[in-house]
Amino acid sequence: EIVLTQSPGTLSLSPGERATLSCRASQNVGSDLAWYQQKPGQAPRLLIYDASDRATGIPARFSGSGSGTDFTLTISSLEPEDFAVYYCQQRYNWPPITFGQGTRLEIK
Amino acid sequence: QVQLQESGPGLVKPSETLSLTCSVSGGSIRNFYWTWLRQTPGKGLEWIGYIYYSGNTDYNPNTDYNPSLESRVTISRDTSNNQLSLRLSSVTAADTAIYYCAAISVSGYILVWGQGNLVTVSS
Repeated sequence: EIVLTQSPGTLSLSPGERATLSCRASQNVGSDLAWYQQKPGQAPRLLIYDASDRATGIPARFSGSGSGTDFTLTISSLEPEDFAVYYCQQRYNWPPITFGQGTRLEIK
Repeated sequence: QVQLQESGPGLVKPSETLSLTCSVSGGSIRNFYWTWLRQTPGKGLEWIGYIYYSGNTDYNPNTDYNPSLESRVTISRDTSNNQLSLRLSSVTAADTAIYYCAAISVSGYILVWGQGNLVTVSS
């Protein structure tokens, strides 16, 4: 099973700042990685797929990069609604799919 | 726009079978791949399994399950009611979680999620 490790566990920033979240895979997953956002009491929402493609309706301030084992989700300028938990997910040779443990983005 | 709604008991006794239903609206269950996942504070998001149709047949959907749960889980569908179902047998407290049904793309990304159904395993 491919293990995804996200860092940091918690990121404290202010609105307007830039957020950089990391996801590392235990083996090469190519570009087969997605990012999801989850707000309290809600299901996750797809933000980025294939490492760098934004899902429909996702604002341009969200961007993804990376390939192989190291991936990054960047939020260029944080809006108040962006404070949430973010998960990465790999689909390399799925099934199965696996998720990282999440990064909590909180208001500083 | 496809929408999903899970339903089922919120409390299940240890050793019994957890059964959940997912009602699909805005699209036919024949036209998508469907998956169940669960989420716990300790283990995070865990993929349970999925079901899909290959070709034009309604009679032989394909399923695949997480190896860690395969011996206890069954995913099935009711095409006449446009519903999916999840059964997980011999539950323990470790199966306490929020259970989600979702539409998953052929490429393996979760496109649409249900709102989730919290199931607690306790006597």
